Amino acid sequence: DQQVKQNSPSLSVQEGRISILNCDYTNSMFDYFLWYKKYPAEGPTFLISISSIKDKNEDGRFTVFLNKSAKHLSLHIVPSQPGDSAVYFCAARDSGGSNYKLTFGKGTLLTVNP
Amino acid sequence: GAGVSQSPSNKVTEKGKDVELRCDPISGHTALYWYRQSLGQGLEFLIYFQGNSAPDKSGLPSDRFSAERTGGSVSTLTIQRTQQEDSAVYLCASSYSGTGTPDTQYFGPGTRLTVL
Repeated sequence: DQQVKQNSPSLSVQEGRISILNCDYTNSMFDYFLWYKKYPAEGPTFLISISSIKDKNEDGRFTVFLNKSAKHLSLHIVPSQPGDSAVYFCAARDSGGSNYKLTFGKGTLLTVNP
Repeated sequence: GAGVSQSPSNKVTEKGKDVELRCDPISGHTALYWYRQSLGQGLEFLIYFQGNSAPDKSGLPSDRFSAERTGGSVSTLTIQRTQQEDSAVYLCASSYSGTGTPDTQYFGPGTRLTVL
C-alpha cells in the first residue's frame, strides 16, 4: 500500500523552462512534506519542505505547492538548469506516528537538457 | 565538515552469508536512521536510533536484520543469512535530534549490496 506516490518515473525539460514534479498521497494524517534530490552514487539531500498548514513555500528557484483537499503536492523549479538533473523524492511525515519516520515515494528522474 | 560516511560502498556476497554495513554519522548528531532502497522503489525505513533511547526497529523486514549503535556514534547494520531479495542500496542518515519539526536528515552515499 503506497501512501506516497510519484506517478511519473521520469521527466525531461529544456534548460530555462519550468520543471513540475508531482506527488500524491493517501494518508490524511500526513502533516509535513519534504522533497529530496539525489544524484547518482550519492545520498539524497534535503531540498525544500512544507507544513500542512501552508499551501506554498518558496526557496529561490524552488517552490512547493500543497493542495490538501486533493492530497497533492508539486515541486516547481524555475528556471531549470542542467545541474538540476537528478532523482527527486517526495516524502511525508505522519502526525499520528513517530515524528522522525518519513514515507518516501519512488522518485522521479528529472533530466534538464541544455 | 565531514558528512555521513558509509562503508563499504559496494558489497557482493553469496546467498546465506552474513554481511555488516557501517555508518559514521555527522559528529554531534544524536539521531541515526537506516533506510533501504530496492530497485525501482522509494526509501524504506528500517531502524532509528536516538541518543540512549531504545531504537525503533519497526521497519526491519525480518529477524535476520539487526543494528547497533556503539557509543552513540557509529552504527552497524547486520544482515544474517542473506537472501537475494536483500539486494538493495542501504542508506544511513543522521540528524541533530530527530525530534520536533522534522529534523533535516543528512544521508550518506549508501552501500550497494548484491546477493548472488
